[in-house]
Amino acid sequence: DSGVTQTPKHLITATGQRVTLRCSPRSGDLSVYWYQQSLDQGLQFLIQYYNGEERAKGNILERFSAQQFPDLHSELNLSSLELGDSALYFCASSPAGTSYEQYFGPGTRLTVT
Amino acid sequence: QKEVEQDPGPLSVPEGAIVSLNCTYSNSAFQYFMWYRQYSRKGPELLMYTYSSGNKEDGRFTAQVDKSSKYISLFIRDSQPSDSATYLCAMIGSGGYQKVTFGTGTKLQVIP
Repeated sequence: DSGVTQTPKHLITATGQRVTLRCSPRSGDLSVYWYQQSLDQGLQFLIQYYNGEERAKGNILERFSAQQFPDLHSELNLSSLELGDSALYFCASSPAGTSYEQYFGPGTRLTVT
Repeated sequence: QKEVEQDPGPLSVPEGAIVSLNCTYSNSAFQYFMWYRQYSRKGPELLMYTYSSGNKEDGRFTAQVDKSSKYISLFIRDSQPSDSATYLCAMIGSGGYQKVTFGTGTKLQVIP
């Protein structure tokens, strides 16, 4: 158990809908990262937050947004969902200044029908 | 060309064998090199990280980095069926807020 929690574990929704994925980092970690993993794309970095502020952005679609709250938990919002958004979404956290030491949560499996 | 190349496998070895997993990369700015293990549909688990060139050992696992060749390796000694998983290499530069670049993973099967 990495100490990173994610909810929900599974999510099934229809195209065009909006969902919110939630992540709680390990105790003491200030950085949160979001990743998307699909079968044909591998692990793709979406976005990083540090202590509430966005710090780095990857290949995140405009339909996706995220934020990190004062209690350090983070939410990833996915809107206008398409079939291609079906994937595993992972959250990771790391101590301050150590992006090379990321601890991943169990993931949320999103299925868009 | 991808920044990080990793043979997807699958790699099948008998129990007790020494396993060698490898990645090549093109970005000379990478300074930290990590290995993650991912069981099917689970979150990746950090095995170890190395800074710059050299070797690092942790139990049955040894990570090796050759920056001159832009080549990294993970060796697993006395492989066990429980080592069957996908192994992801990952890399990042130093300084500032940079994103980690992951390899696509090598699937390993250790046969009892």
